Amino acid sequence: DQQVKQNSPSLSVQEGRISILNCDYTNSMFDYFLWYKKYPAEGPTFLISISSIKDKNEDGRFTVFLNKSAKHLSLHIVPSQPGDSAVYFCAAYINAGNMLTFGGGTRLMVKP
Amino acid sequence: KAGVTQTPRYLIKTRGQQVTLSCSPISGHRSVSWYQQTPGQGLQFLFEYFSETQRNKGNFPGRFSGRQFSNSRSEMNVSTLELGDSALYLCASSFLVGDSYEQYFGPGTRLTVT
Repeated sequence: DQQVKQNSPSLSVQEGRISILNCDYTNSMFDYFLWYKKYPAEGPTFLISISSIKDKNEDGRFTVFLNKSAKHLSLHIVPSQPGDSAVYFCAAYINAGNMLTFGGGTRLMVKP
Repeated sequence: KAGVTQTPRYLIKTRGQQVTLSCSPISGHRSVSWYQQTPGQGLQFLFEYFSETQRNKGNFPGRFSGRQFSNSRSEMNVSTLELGDSALYLCASSFLVGDSYEQYFGPGTRLTVT
């Protein structure tokens, strides 16, 4: 049973525009949600996280929104840059469970 | 602040041998997790340590083991290597305070079993 899902396998965006990456989850016990950027054969790079008690967190060009009632979160990247092209993973963490649960990833392509 | 470091970065071993991988977390981080990354299975959780205690373990055979030292550095060991153990092994250290949780990954150790 996939507790964290990223239903869009890929997304293409024009440079300078907004990229919106989506993630859905089923377990209401998750305490934190994290977003990672990943290149092939490398480890994930942490971007931003949000606590389940918040609905928004912002860090530079990255903003994460959390809608607990819909069990949905999204990562907004504004403005998008060609260097943002990578696979993006959302992940969820239960404090008592002590492990991250990852979504399947979305490949973002930012076109110049 | 230095990131998560892993040694060695690359390793080639023969079936049946054993291997030990090392991880140094970010200074101040007391939790260390290990993951196996393969093209077919993606990122799979191995185990998590906090203050020298294993708090959680993934669905891997007993050939995979780990430990954490008092300085939070961690090692994982794989005994009786199999071809299917070829993978990128990632270590991550995490930090939880108040309403903030962050987990940072190291560059990984690429293990090839021949």
